[in-house]
Amino acid sequence: GAGVSQSPSNKVTEKGKDVELRCDPISGHTALYWYRQSLGQGLEFLIYFQGNSAPDKSGLPSDRFSAERTGGSVSTLTIQRTQQEDSAVYLCASSPQPPGHLGNTIYFGEGSWLTVV
Amino acid sequence: GQQVMQIPQYQHVQEGEDFTTYCNSSTTLSNIQWYKQRPGGHPVFLIQLVKSGEVKKQKRLTFQFGEAKKNSSLHITATQTTDVGTYFCAGITTDSWGKLQFGAGTQVVVTP
Repeated sequence: GAGVSQSPSNKVTEKGKDVELRCDPISGHTALYWYRQSLGQGLEFLIYFQGNSAPDKSGLPSDRFSAERTGGSVSTLTIQRTQQEDSAVYLCASSPQPPGHLGNTIYFGEGSWLTVV
Repeated sequence: GQQVMQIPQYQHVQEGEDFTTYCNSSTTLSNIQWYKQRPGGHPVFLIQLVKSGEVKKQKRLTFQFGEAKKNSSLHITATQTTDVGTYFCAGITTDSWGKLQFGAGTQVVVTP
């Protein structure tokens, strides 16, 4: 597709259930990021994938959170045993190069709105 | 760890007025980026600044990167209603190329 695609766009889940959020980056983009944004707040870094390198997982808030990126393309963010404080918009982004490269542009998807009840 | 702070958190502007939002980092940045997020939308990349003291303009928007590469500013002249949204700065340090750290953003409201 033309942009970063995320699914589902909205998810309501019961506390304690597991959820999976999917991200399809722009074709050819080697870098993929997951961020979390709570209502009216800034973006909280979760995880970063770059090519075949080991991901930077330093932003994952707990061991209930995990992410993988298969074949250097699609990524899945999994939240196990969801809690109410996990409610937020989960934003995926991709870029053709690492974020520090000159002229690099990062493109965000529309986000997956997660509500834990 | 690195922290990126933005001020003000909210900016209420009369249409036609100018305003500035500021971004400060606790550590030296290799580069800084600015994003705009419209209400209900996702962040959209505006610009990247790399050099110490760099100044870039996009129409009514002027972006600056401080000499010490620890702060940045966004100045908007003759504000229009289309400028409504939240403006985020995001910084990268040389030892963390992937961790783009976002500030909390400045939410801009424009009164006609």
